Amino acid sequence: QLVLTQSPSASASLGASVKLTCTVDSGHSGYAIAWHQHQPEKGPRYLMNVNSDGSHSKGDGIPDRFSGSSSGAERYLTISSLQSEDEADYYCQTWGTGIRVAFGGGTKLTVL
Amino acid sequence: EVQLVESGGGLVQPGRSLRLSCTASGFTLADYAMSWVRQAPGKGLEWVGFIRRKVYGETTEYAASVKGRFTFSRDDSKSIAYLQMNSLQTEDTAVYYCSRGGQGPLEDWGQGTLVTVSS
Repeated sequence: QLVLTQSPSASASLGASVKLTCTVDSGHSGYAIAWHQHQPEKGPRYLMNVNSDGSHSKGDGIPDRFSGSSSGAERYLTISSLQSEDEADYYCQTWGTGIRVAFGGGTKLTVL
Repeated sequence: EVQLVESGGGLVQPGRSLRLSCTASGFTLADYAMSWVRQAPGKGLEWVGFIRRKVYGETTEYAASVKGRFTFSRDDSKSIAYLQMNSLQTEDTAVYYCSRGGQGPLEDWGQGTLVTVSS
């Protein structure tokens, strides 16, 4: 049962912005999601919650460069002023009755 | 500062058992559900399951891939959550992470412990 879909890869230049997408399947289009950053050799890091109405709440210490938004079944993570340390895998995660908890396949972000 | 530290990983033969621990600090473990997530080599994050708080009976939820073989428990007095893994299979080889939260956003993570199942 595929609930969350992410593009496998994305790339953007140092100092630029990038918008990552997580698509919630039609049966769960009203679900909130969480975004997590996973850098090599580290544990994942919670970034933020994004609700279906586009509102979002960030985790402690997450820079203002990271923001979330939503449109229909799509949930977005926008990273502005890209830095080299932003190069990581980004996962969306959702939860709810029936699916309990699910992760997207992850997007590998390369900073050029 | 919230900290989660996993331990207990290692090399184990197929069919054997292993118990992982997740030691929590910086918050009261009893106030939170605790989750386990794993990442097999070259793969993405896979939800393993979670254990609810005592007030919810410490009930558990498991992914289909581990149900019947893995068991969660917790000792809130010691601030430790456990993952007992039985009948291990080569497909269980992964880095295992504990995380604060259950059926909701996972807001804090440990650094992970590697479990390798091989003969």
